[in-house]
Amino acid sequence: DTEVTQTPKHLVMGMTNKKSLKCEQHMGHRAMYWYKQKAKKPPELMFVYSYEKLSINESVPSRFSPECPNSSLLNLHLHALQPEDSALYLCASSQDGTGQQDTQYFGPGTRLTVL
Amino acid sequence: DQQVKQNSPSLSVQEGRISILNCDYTNSMFDYFLWYKKYPAEGPTFLISISSIKDKNEDGRFTVFLNKSAKHLSLHIVPSQPGDSAVYFCAASDGQGGSEKLVFGKGTKLTVNP
Repeated sequence: DTEVTQTPKHLVMGMTNKKSLKCEQHMGHRAMYWYKQKAKKPPELMFVYSYEKLSINESVPSRFSPECPNSSLLNLHLHALQPEDSALYLCASSQDGTGQQDTQYFGPGTRLTVL
Repeated sequence: DQQVKQNSPSLSVQEGRISILNCDYTNSMFDYFLWYKKYPAEGPTFLISISSIKDKNEDGRFTVFLNKSAKHLSLHIVPSQPGDSAVYFCAASDGQGGSEKLVFGKGTKLTVNP
């Protein structure tokens, strides 16, 4: 089983709203990732959690705030977003992000629209 | 500086024929390569990977070839099916730096015509 689930599937929010994206995996993976993907572009890495600790923050604006409550869950808290933040937000997980040759498995994504 | 390049934005093949998707890389430290398939508005699906110590890896209709001296890899799909129509991303990681960072190519849109 290589399933990563994400909720919600679609989200529309205003620039003053606060919302959260959720991601869950039950593969026993210890690394989890947030990516942002714009149309016709490859995924862009935002954050990496390894063993529930933030290991990479790709200079993402503070209006995006990640949280890893436990090894199976990953949240992305959104506040005061801009219309240009509209994109597909992807969660991924892998066995051990600190190891070598580690395959990342992606969830279906949350389609975010900021009005 | 694009470290992973997929120079063909699109490819069209007939059902039943072979699809060959190409990928070039510039970073000699890359030691693990992956192919993902992506349908519109969905997350990428892992297809197949290859370690730099191998030159070929096969899984059903999918075969990945790696030519380290040329810094080139290719994905062969035989026989191609209409359901294979999607965008294919090549990705690579550098074992020295940990595999958290996948470097993606820009993708090739494959269309398989019935």
